[in-house]
Amino acid sequence: DIQMTQSPSSLSASVGDTVTITCRASQTIASFLNWYLQKPGKAPKLLIYAASTLQSGVPSRFSGSRFGTDFTLTISSLQPEDFATYFCQQSYSIPRTFGGGTKVEIK
Amino acid sequence: EVQLVESGGSLVRPGGSLRLSCAASGFTFDDYGMSWVRQVPGKGLEWVSSVNWNGGSTRHADSVKGRFTISRDNAKNSVYLQMNSLRAEDTAFYHCTRDRGIAATGVFDFWGQGTLVTVSA
Repeated sequence: DIQMTQSPSSLSASVGDTVTITCRASQTIASFLNWYLQKPGKAPKLLIYAASTLQSGVPSRFSGSRFGTDFTLTISSLQPEDFATYFCQQSYSIPRTFGGGTKVEIK
Repeated sequence: EVQLVESGGSLVRPGGSLRLSCAASGFTFDDYGMSWVRQVPGKGLEWVSSVNWNGGSTRHADSVKGRFTISRDNAKNSVYLQMNSLRAEDTAFYHCTRDRGIAATGVFDFWGQGTLVTVSA
């Protein structure tokens, strides 16, 4: 199975900050990497797929990039509604696997 | 508006069975693969099962293989998860998800709120 290692597990930031979350795959997954946001008590929501393609309706302050087997999610100018938990997930092979999550909290 | 509404979760004893259902609306159901993803409350996400657009191809996680079966009924716009030989470690919220595309692509572009399965004596 492909292991997805996400870091940090949590971070504190202020409104307006730029935040970067990293996800590392244990082997090549090409660009088959997706990012989700989850708020407490809610279902996850797809933000980015194929490493850098923004899902329809997602604000442009969210962006994704790939550096080999390392992937980053960047949130520019953090907004109050962005405080949530973020998960990465590979769709390169079965079983689909997720990172452990990054909780973004208000500083 | 895409909607996925799960049902069927409940408290069940170890070794018991449950059948989860997911009613889909707001899109052409047989244009998409569907999946189930589970989440222990307050914990991470685990992919469980996927089915392609016509039910002809299914995949399951090793942790549930031989015990769980995913299926779909395109006439009823529904996907199901038959869960047998349930174990305590199957306790979780079970989310129904839509895959981007006809195949089970593994990109989950819409999620239901989930239904809670609790396995306990």
